[in-house]
Amino acid sequence: DSGVTQTPKHLITATGQRVTLRCSPRSGDLSVYWYQQSLDQGLQFLIQYYNGEERAKGNILERFSAQQFPDLHSELNLSSLELGDSALYFCASSSGLAGGLYEQFFGPGTRLTVL
Amino acid sequence: AQSVTQLGSHVSVSEGALVLLRCNYSSSVPPYLFWYVQYPNQGLQLLLKYTSAATLVKGINGFEAEFKKSETSFHLTKPSAHMSDAAEYFCAVSEGNYGGSQGNLIFGKGTKLSVKP
Repeated sequence: DSGVTQTPKHLITATGQRVTLRCSPRSGDLSVYWYQQSLDQGLQFLIQYYNGEERAKGNILERFSAQQFPDLHSELNLSSLELGDSALYFCASSSGLAGGLYEQFFGPGTRLTVL
Repeated sequence: AQSVTQLGSHVSVSEGALVLLRCNYSSSVPPYLFWYVQYPNQGLQLLLKYTSAATLVKGINGFEAEFKKSETSFHLTKPSAHMSDAAEYFCAVSEGNYGGSQGNLIFGKGTKLSVKP
């Protein structure tokens, strides 16, 4: 158990819909990362937050957005869903900001299926 | 831009045999490199990481990796495979190093390891 929790575990929805994925980082971790894992694209970085502020953006679509709240939990919002958004979405947390120095602990993921 | 390439999407070994999973990186600065393991229906777990200290890095579960700058490689090895090693393994490089504010990981495509009895 990494200490990172993600809800829900599974999500099945229809095209055009909007969903929210939730992540609670390990106690004390200030940095939260979101990654998408799909069969064709592999594991891709979406976005990073540190203590409530956005710090880095990867290959995140405009239909996707995220935020980190004062209690440090984070939410990833996916809207106007398409079939290609079906993937496993991971949240990871780390205690610091500097790249590579702080281990990232991964949650179990949310499996999103868009029908 | 940094990137990693994992050679071989599937590797099959017999129990007790040497495990060798290959990873080559591309980076304009000395990189931080990682190996993660993903068991079925689980998240990723860090096996080991290289942060410019010793070039031979020992990790959990008997795995180790050697950083070779001349070959831009960071191959993962284990002398004797166990059935429980069957999983998918990912090599990754950190986007920002040496105090940079960007800490996300760039992953390779992964290598699925099968272990035959």
